[in-house]
Order: sequence, then C-alpha cells, then structure tokens
Amino acid sequence: QKEVEQDPGPLSVPEGAIVSLNCTYSNSAFQYFMWYRQYSRKGPELLMYTYSSGNKEDGRFTAQVDKSSKYISLFIRDSQPSDSATYLCATNGETSGSRLTFGEGTQLTVNP
Amino acid sequence: KAGVTQTPRYLIKTRGQQVTLSCSPISGHRSVSWYQQTPGQGLQFLFEYFSETQRNKGNFPGRFSGRQFSNSRSEMNVSTLELGDSALYLCASSLDNRDSHLRGGEQYFGPGTRLTVT
Repeated sequence: QKEVEQDPGPLSVPEGAIVSLNCTYSNSAFQYFMWYRQYSRKGPELLMYTYSSGNKEDGRFTAQVDKSSKYISLFIRDSQPSDSATYLCATNGETSGSRLTFGEGTQLTVNP
Repeated sequence: KAGVTQTPRYLIKTRGQQVTLSCSPISGHRSVSWYQQTPGQGLQFLFEYFSETQRNKGNFPGRFSGRQFSNSRSEMNVSTLELGDSALYLCASSLDNRDSHLRGGEQYFGPGTRLTVT
C-alpha cells in the first residue's frame, strides 16, 4: 500500500467550477502537507504549505488538513483554463526530514 | 530572487554511459534534494544534501550518487545507465531553518533535466 494515495483522474470541469482534489495518507508521523502544481514538461510549483489540521486560504486556493482521518484536500474556486495542470499532494515529517512523499498526482483540465 | 536552476535541461545518453546533472539552489538555501519522476512511479526521493553532507537517502541503487559544494550547488551522477533510468530528474532547494516547526519546510523545485537513455 502506498503511503500517500491520490486519485490520478483525469478530472475535467467547466470554467468557473469549484474543484476538489484529495489525498489520504497512512503514516501518522507525517506533519507537513503541501500541494504542488505541475504544468506539462515543467517542474512542480509549490502552491500551499500547511503544518497543522485546519484550513489555509490563498486567493482562490484553500488547503484543508484533517489529521484525525489522515485526509488532505485542495479546493480551487472559480477555476480557470490556466489551472489545467497536474496537482500533486506531498507530505513529510520530523522522522523523514526533507524527504517528501508524493501522491500520484491528479490531472485537471478546466474547459473554457 | 532567481529560482532553482538545473543544467542541462535535456540529455540523451546510451546504455552503459554515465551522466552528471547540476543544480543551483535558490540563493541562501542550504538544503538540496533530488527526485526522479517517471510516469509509472511518480516522484521518488533520491537523496538530500545539506552542508556538503548527504543527510537523507532514498531507495535507489548505488549507481546513483551526488555531492554538494560549499556554495550549496549540487550535482548528481548516474553511472552505468540503464533504459529504466529515463526520467525527469528534479532538484529542490529549501531554506532548512533549524526551528523544528519549519524543519522539512517548503521545497522549491527546478525545471528538471529530462534524461533519455537509448
């Protein structure tokens, strides 16, 4: 079983829709949670970084962490065609140091 | 502030050859990590360097090695290339503030080096 599970999609939505992306993890030692966006043939771009359970908002993006259920989410409001990319969740903890464990990535397409 | 840079961006090698990839972290960042990204396995951690020392290592064979220089720039080397080594190799840098809250902190990736082994 993978330490981080993420539905690979693909996910296709109309412009303006609210997008919900999710990951589950199995290791209770994971403490830090990130979402990266990766455009085709580019490196991952850090979108959100959270440390504790709860919500963190940045513009149209909201990251949500529920440590009790080991569930992390990313919500994108008013989605735009430019949001079309692969979204990767990642996590690590004190015992893993800088080693990030990634989900498989969800491929998102926002249609105009 | 300039981002993480990686050279070369594209590389084609033949089986059995060796290759060296280079990474320059964001100015002031002291930790450099390397990842391999393939369609089948996704992003997998290779190793991390901090203050010229390997601090963490993933589950890759000894053919994969790296080093870090005093200016925090890093190189990774793959010897005796195999077809399965074809991948996007990504470098990430982080500030690595020793405060426990930030340890393992935000990592910023470069554009990657796409290696094709024929």
